[in-house]
Amino acid sequence: ETGVTQTPRHLVMGMTNKKSLKCEQHLGHNAMYWYKQSAKKPLELMFVYSLEERVENNSVPSRFSPECPNSSHLFLHLHTLQPEDSALYLCASSQARGDTQYFGPGTRLTVL
Amino acid sequence: DQQVKQNSPSLSVQEGRISILNCDYTNSMFDYFLWYKKYPAEGPTFLISISSIKDKNEDGRFTVFLNKSAKHLSLHIVPSQPGDSAVYFCAASAEASGTYKYIFGTGTRLKVLA
Repeated sequence: ETGVTQTPRHLVMGMTNKKSLKCEQHLGHNAMYWYKQSAKKPLELMFVYSLEERVENNSVPSRFSPECPNSSHLFLHLHTLQPEDSALYLCASSQARGDTQYFGPGTRLTVL
Repeated sequence: DQQVKQNSPSLSVQEGRISILNCDYTNSMFDYFLWYKKYPAEGPTFLISISSIKDKNEDGRFTVFLNKSAKHLSLHIVPSQPGDSAVYFCAASAEASGTYKYIFGTGTRLKVLA
């Protein structure tokens, strides 16, 4: 498989659930990113990992918890989300931080 | 406050004609600009970029123009094809300052009519 993949593609969860989003990149990149896209809003950068170290956290609530076990995998652990967290969550990777980013297809999350 | 603005949410163009998508920015520190294309149910795909040391970059049917004094960039697609129908996002970053963070616009939905 090539490029950046994300699973699941769709997720519906209740506010008390715990779930995780998974991203995998097959490009040999060293930087990975989580973005949130809400309706009619620009993509918002959430987290940046470079060489498995979190280098940026853009004031994201603690109910979102990222994990980067290695340079190919990135997770976003979700816990006690709110309905306003419903959005498209996109993962991206780049060769190095600052290089052109390549996106996965996203996970459409609905919080009930 | 939105630092990158795409003021036209949608645009319709006849096949074969030119599509011009516009993007304005407010932060004078931005020095690297990109355009992404997004089809439904897919993630954004990198299309073309331009550094602030240039005012034009061309790749096949796609040309990006940068006007630094006006803080404006545009993407020209010539000739437009039905397969170009997608949402186009512009993004900017301030690489010289070391932040590397992409700031995205809200996107413009292009529809190319056959």
